[in-house]
Amino acid sequence: DSGVTQTPKHLITATGQRVTLRCSPRSGDLSVYWYQQSLDQGLQFLIHYYNGEERAKGNILERFSAQQFPDLHSELNLSSLELGDSALYFCASSGQAYGYTFGSGTRLTVV
Amino acid sequence: AQTVTQSQPEMSVQEAETVTLSCTYDTSENNYYLFWYKQPPSRQMILVIRQEAYKQQNATENRFSVNFQKAAKSFSLKISDSQLGDTAMYFCAFSEGIQGAQKLVFGQGTRLTINP
Repeated sequence: DSGVTQTPKHLITATGQRVTLRCSPRSGDLSVYWYQQSLDQGLQFLIHYYNGEERAKGNILERFSAQQFPDLHSELNLSSLELGDSALYFCASSGQAYGYTFGSGTRLTVV
Repeated sequence: AQTVTQSQPEMSVQEAETVTLSCTYDTSENNYYLFWYKQPPSRQMILVIRQEAYKQQNATENRFSVNFQKAAKSFSLKISDSQLGDTAMYFCAFSEGIQGAQKLVFGQGTRLTINP
């Protein structure tokens, strides 16, 4: 157990639908990062939150949004889903002392 | 923009051999961190080794060591006495500034296969 919890582990949904992915960071970490990994590809940075505020955005589609709540958990919302959104979505958290820790990911399949 | 390049999409070696994975990066910053992550078939991202740019000494973790060449912006990973369990995708990653406060930028990965 890395200390970063992602739910659900697997998600199958139809095109056009909306889903929410959840991430609980390791205790004490204020930063949460979201990454997308398509099949056999590298990890693409989506968005970074620090203590509830958006810090940086990557190539995140307008159909995607995220937020970090006062208890520091984060949610990634994906809407109007397309087949190409099928991927593994990782959450990572970080703190100065320990570096970056990844969750086990949510595998999203859009059919 | 920061970029990380891994020029070897795939590598394959025999068990117990030594293998070196290459990584180059581009940045105009002087303070940054470099990482190697392993992603086995389970897809979990596992930190292998970490290097702070301000440290001249190369990091080592048991059978894993790096060759950090700051001027050349090169950060290779050497795996000694390779084991079947080392079979995985390996990603080189980079972050600027204060560790934990900046995003990680990843390379495209090297698929490493250790053959019995």
